[in-house]
Amino acid sequence: AQSVTQLDSQVPVFEEAPVELRCNYSSSVSVYLFWYVQYPNQGLQLLLKYLSGSTLVESINGFEAEFNKSQTSFHLRKPSVHISDTAEYFCAVSRFGNEKLTFGTGTRLTIIP
Amino acid sequence: EPEVTQTPSHQVTQMGQEVILRCVPISNHLYFYWYRQILGQKVEFLVSFYNNEISEKSEIFDDQFSVERPDGSNFTLKIRSTKLEDSAMYFCASGLAGVAGELFFGEGSRLTVL
Repeated sequence: AQSVTQLDSQVPVFEEAPVELRCNYSSSVSVYLFWYVQYPNQGLQLLLKYLSGSTLVESINGFEAEFNKSQTSFHLRKPSVHISDTAEYFCAVSRFGNEKLTFGTGTRLTIIP
Repeated sequence: EPEVTQTPSHQVTQMGQEVILRCVPISNHLYFYWYRQILGQKVEFLVSFYNNEISEKSEIFDDQFSVERPDGSNFTLKIRSTKLEDSAMYFCASGLAGVAGELFFGEGSRLTVL
């Protein structure tokens, strides 16, 4: 079975500073990797995903994540955060199309003005 | 933009009572899921549903739980006899066939069992 570890439960960052949210996974087979975001009082939304090909994937709002197979990691980064990025971020894996997602425990990103 | 809708947004019930949580998935989606999130804990998979039957369920999804797609649009989760530990946020999600991992989630139904 696969699992996901998000070591940082909370990350406070000053506005316009860079941020990295860490995600490591464990699986005996190849996996697809995802970051979901949950804004206050909303459901989860897909932020970005890695299925195959280029190991660096980007979202439309400036986040990026890099798949590192040797380190079994899929860390999420943004060079300059905004107040609107305040949310909880979940890393997730699945083994194949339409299989259930296995989520990490989430990282709450708090932006300090 | 199409969205997944869930009702009720919040339900309070007494232990031992039956609860039905309702979801309307996006209309052309074929895969349906229920997840739950106990306060402060991770989002946990409960069950997936495809072609009018359960395709996978977790160990959490015991005989007290059931799912149904009664009329081709709604997707319901029933808990027959609620326990205190069933208190959680329950999320419904749906997805297109063949699109890995891109699930669309509802805003959740918060269940409080007293």
